[in-house]
Amino acid sequence: EVVLTQSPTTLSLSPGQRATLSCRASQSVRRYLAWYQQKAGQAPRLLIYDSSNRASGVPARFSGSGSGTDFTLIISSLEPDDFAVYYCQQRNNWPLTFGGGTKVEIK
Amino acid sequence: QVQLVESGGDLVKPGGSLRLSCAVSGFNFGDYYISWIRQAPGKGLEWISYIGSSENIVDYADSVKGRFTISRDNGKNSVFLQMDSLRAEDTAVYYCARDQAPSAMSWYFDLWGRGTLVTVSS
Repeated sequence: EVVLTQSPTTLSLSPGQRATLSCRASQSVRRYLAWYQQKAGQAPRLLIYDSSNRASGVPARFSGSGSGTDFTLIISSLEPDDFAVYYCQQRNNWPLTFGGGTKVEIK
Repeated sequence: QVQLVESGGDLVKPGGSLRLSCAVSGFNFGDYYISWIRQAPGKGLEWISYIGSSENIVDYADSVKGRFTISRDNGKNSVFLQMDSLRAEDTAVYYCARDQAPSAMSWYFDLWGRGTLVTVSS
C-alpha cells in the first residue's frame, strides 16, 4: 500500500503567517491526492482534491500543488479558524490511504 | 439538510459484534458511493470499506476483511456496517462519508458524518 508521510508533525505559527505543509508518497500517486482539515471533535473537511483543485466553498488562501510523490498544501495567511490538523489522502492505488497528519497550532 | 448521521457505537467485549448505521438525508442517496472510515483515539484516518450504488459493489481494507460487512438499504437511505469478531484495535470513531462524485467514483470524500465511537474492551 502507498504510505503517505506528512511533515512536519506540528507547525507552530501565528495568525497572518504562511503555512507550508508537506505530504510525501512512498510511490507515485500521479496527481491523485487530496487534503482535509479536521478540527478537534469534528469530522474532516475536504479542502483540495486532485492535488490543486479547491473543493466547494474553500477559501482561496488554501492552495495545493505537486505530483508524483511530493505534494504541498499552502495556507497563505493563517486565520484563527485554520488552526487544526491536516491530512493528505491518495486515491491512485488501492487501498485508499491517509497520511499521519500535520497539526497547525497557534504559536 | 444535507447530512450523514452515524449511530450504533458502543462498548463491546473482544470477540463481540456491533452494527453501525449511517442515515443519509438531503441528497439522492442512490447516486453515491458511501465509505466507512475510522480514526483510533489520537491517531490518523483509516479507510475500511465502501459500498457502491448497488450492494454487489463493495470492498474492504485487509484489516477488517472477513470480519466486517457493509450493506445499504436505498429505501431507508441508510448504510450499515456489521462488525463481528471485534478486537481491541478496532476501537475508534467510525465515520461514514460520501464520495465526492455522484454516479461515479472520485474516491475523495466531500461529506462526512460526525462519527460514532466504538470501544472494544473487556
